[in-house]
Amino acid sequence: KAGVTQTPRYLIKTRGQQVTLSCSPISGHRSVSWYQQTPGQGLQFLFEYFSETQRNKGNFPGRFSGRQFSNSRSEMNVSTLELGDSALYLCASSLPGGREQFFGPGTRLTVL
Amino acid sequence: QKEVEQNSGPLSVPEGAIASLNCTYSDRVSQSFFWYRQYSGKSPELIMSIYSNGDKEDGRFTAQLNKASQYVSLLIRDSQPSDSATYLCAVEAGGTSYGKLTFGQGTILTVHP
Repeated sequence: KAGVTQTPRYLIKTRGQQVTLSCSPISGHRSVSWYQQTPGQGLQFLFEYFSETQRNKGNFPGRFSGRQFSNSRSEMNVSTLELGDSALYLCASSLPGGREQFFGPGTRLTVL
Repeated sequence: QKEVEQNSGPLSVPEGAIASLNCTYSDRVSQSFFWYRQYSGKSPELIMSIYSNGDKEDGRFTAQLNKASQYVSLLIRDSQPSDSATYLCAVEAGGTSYGKLTFGQGTILTVHP
């Protein structure tokens, strides 16, 4: 069974630009959670989607948004990029009703 | 107080020894507890999950949970150099905390030959 996939794997953007990251969950998984990982703050929860609905949101500014499609694929968008948005963005998927989350390889975003 | 705290590292053990990783959490309603392993430059990999008090064993790994003490630990027996990684403790509160894992800062483990 294929794992969680994320595209692109690496991105370089400049301040003020926006970016869209994509996540395809494991087949059969319908919940997708997004996390930001930085050396200073560690892994922090961004939001979670299930059946195209955001059910939970972390403590991030409104510049961070996401959505989920009917096939459970998810995207997250960051607008008006800041230097501090440079991070590894990870998505994780889980089965309906499941508690275990399985992570994708991540997207490394660098903001210059 | 941080929501999830792990024992300060880095932790260095000789090959073949037992590595002990500890984690405490502040939210008493937490329901689910996980240990992830993260190699440098890679994403976290789930190695253990535990939901009820007591021990859970999987190969060389044993997770221990004590909800009264708000404490969860991971023991790695017969440690191997390939176990050298950062170990992350993660907690899910349950209830309406859908899909949200709260992570500790991680403990860097080095197993030396």
